[in-house]
Amino acid sequence: GAGVSQSPSNKVTEKGKDVELRCDPISGHTALYWYRQSLGQGLEFLIYFQGNSAPDKSGLPSDRFSAERTGGSVSTLTIQRTQQEDSAVYLCASSLVDRGNTIYFGEGSWLTVV
Amino acid sequence: QQQVKQSPQSLIVQKGGISIINCAYENTAFDYFPWYQQFPGKGPALLIAIRPDVSEKKEGRFTISFNKSAKQFSLHIMDSQPGDSATYFCAASGNTPLVFGKGTRLSVIA
Repeated sequence: GAGVSQSPSNKVTEKGKDVELRCDPISGHTALYWYRQSLGQGLEFLIYFQGNSAPDKSGLPSDRFSAERTGGSVSTLTIQRTQQEDSAVYLCASSLVDRGNTIYFGEGSWLTVV
Repeated sequence: QQQVKQSPQSLIVQKGGISIINCAYENTAFDYFPWYQQFPGKGPALLIAIRPDVSEKKEGRFTISFNKSAKQFSLHIMDSQPGDSATYFCAASGNTPLVFGKGTRLSVIA
């Protein structure tokens, strides 16, 4: 497809379980971002990948959250030992070049922790 | 500390009216100010963006007004239509990933 693809679109998991969320960016985009959208909280930056540079992890809320990007393309966001407060929409975005340019979002992965 | 403050949280406008959403920022290093539009169940999509070298940018019915000295920018939607009903996010960036406001839920009623 032409856009940013995310999977799963919906995930319900039990508290304490680990989850993996996948993002396939737009082909050729070197920058990839993860944001979290909670009700009434806007879009919260989590992590940013740019080419082969070390990722900017400054937005990750705890050490239970991690992300990797393999081969400069697909990215996986992992949440370990999920908590109810992790329930949110996790949005992935990509852009052609570095910051300050248009970023294109996927439709998100809705995570519900019960 | 919230770097981009957006208001109002929600807005109801009559069809044909003007919708105005305001944002204020703190970081003077910000040099890119986009607005994103989000429909339910979809990811946000870029609507219009401005850089601080101009005070206004217009694209169709959508206009950004930018006040660098006041560190404020706003989105104006002229002739608002029911199809404009969505959540709108302002954002800002400099040498950082985009920082978003908390969003404004716009409802345009006939």
